[in-house]
Amino acid sequence: DAGVTQSPTHLIKTRGQQVTLRCSPKSGHDTVSWYQQALGQGPQFIFQYYEEEERQRGNFPDRFSGHQFPNYSSELNVNALLLGDSALYLCASSLAGGPGNEQFFGPGTRLTVL
Amino acid sequence: GEDVEQSLFLSVREGDSSVINCTYTDSSSTYLYWYKQEPGAGLQLLTYIFSNMDMKQDQRLTVLLNKKDKHLSLRIADTQTGDSAIYFCAAPTGGYGGSQGNLIFGKGTKLSVKP
Repeated sequence: DAGVTQSPTHLIKTRGQQVTLRCSPKSGHDTVSWYQQALGQGPQFIFQYYEEEERQRGNFPDRFSGHQFPNYSSELNVNALLLGDSALYLCASSLAGGPGNEQFFGPGTRLTVL
Repeated sequence: GEDVEQSLFLSVREGDSSVINCTYTDSSSTYLYWYKQEPGAGLQLLTYIFSNMDMKQDQRLTVLLNKKDKHLSLRIADTQTGDSAIYFCAAPTGGYGGSQGNLIFGKGTKLSVKP
C-alpha cells in the first residue's frame, strides 16, 4: 500500500517565478492538506482540499493556490515566488471521518528560491 | 485559536526514558498527536490520543493527557540512538463538513540520544 507521495523531491527557482508541487494521497484517503515548514519551525497549515474544494485556509496570501482532482491527488501552486517561500512543503492525506482523523504526511518537496 | 508549545531540546542517555512535554490552548481538541521527523524527511505519525483518555500505551511509547492543565506528554521507554529526531506535538483546530480540522504544530523538541 503506497503511502503519500510527493513530487518533485527538490526544486530550485528564482524570485518571481511560479512553481507547482504535486501530491498523491494514501490509498483510500479523500482529503489532502498542505503545510509549509520553514527551517527550524513546525509545519504551518496552508490549506485543505476535500471533494475537490478548498475547505479551510491558513494565513497564506493568494499567491498560494491549489487544486484537487477527481482521483483525490492535489497540486499546490505558488506564484511570484519570494525568497521567504523557501521551505519544505508537506502534503498530508486523511480520510474524512476516519478513525482518529489521522493525517499521514509525505516526504515533502524542498523548495529553494534564489 | 489553538496554540501549541514545546520545549526545544532534550538530551538523554541510551537506555534511559525520555519525556517530551507539550501544552495546548484549545480545550475542544478531540485528538492530540505526536509526530516524529528525522533529518531531511517528512513527518511520521507516532501515536495519538483521544481527548476522553488519560493515557495511551503503544509498545515503548506512553502518552499522558492532563485535560485540566492542557498538558500532553510523550514518554519513550528504553530510548535508543535511532530515536534521535525532532518530535512534534499537534492539535487540530476548526473543521468543515466532512473534513478534519487543520493541525497546529509546536516548534518541535529535538531529542538527542547519547550512546
